[in-house]
Amino acid sequence: QQPVQSPQAVILREGEDAVINCSSSKALYSVHWYRQKHGEAPVFLMILLKGGEQKGHEKISASFNEKKQQSSLYLTASQLSYSGTYFCGTEGSNDYKLSFGAGTTVTVRA
Amino acid sequence: NAGVTQTPKFQVLKTGQSMTLQCAQDMNHNSMYWYRQDPGMGLRLIYYSASEGTTDKGEVPNGYNVSRLNKREFSLRLESAAPSQTSVYFCASSEGINTEAFFGQGTRLTVV
Repeated sequence: QQPVQSPQAVILREGEDAVINCSSSKALYSVHWYRQKHGEAPVFLMILLKGGEQKGHEKISASFNEKKQQSSLYLTASQLSYSGTYFCGTEGSNDYKLSFGAGTTVTVRA
Repeated sequence: NAGVTQTPKFQVLKTGQSMTLQCAQDMNHNSMYWYRQDPGMGLRLIYYSASEGTTDKGEVPNGYNVSRLNKREFSLRLESAAPSQTSVYFCASSEGINTEAFFGQGTRLTVV
């Protein structure tokens, strides 16, 4: 069962912030975040584990609330290089299949 | 290191034809995955292999079969291709649960 991401798309100017949300209807063991540039393969950004561990990557950070089965990705002071489609991936507590959401397309303009 | 290698990169099939998409990883990973990517649908899991010798269905397995030939290789077979299977297919691998997944460069398949 795929997690649900929101919003579907966001347009930013350089330096602005954005939040991408990911929620699941099943109990989660971990949440992954990936970014995909047009015509390329998805690339790993970070993993968040049960316990609410928050991890960061450059100016991109994320949080994981396993009780609410939700995760959020924070794009801070966005750069042109942040443009792409962001996917959250989830692994359940009862199964270890890595399922992805529909993605959020981020466009950062100068 | 090559990472995850998929072949072919592009393929055009006629309806009813069969073909096998190949995937190999050189990272000694235990888990391997096949996804399809369609506009607005994200990455949908077709099949999954937790370890050599095991496979399991994902979210959209109908019309596909897989073989985990050995630890390195995980192939996806379309027995009778349909236009609805036109998509970009990605293979991925990881050490196991809670670990980074590495993706191949994808196979763009068109069924006419």
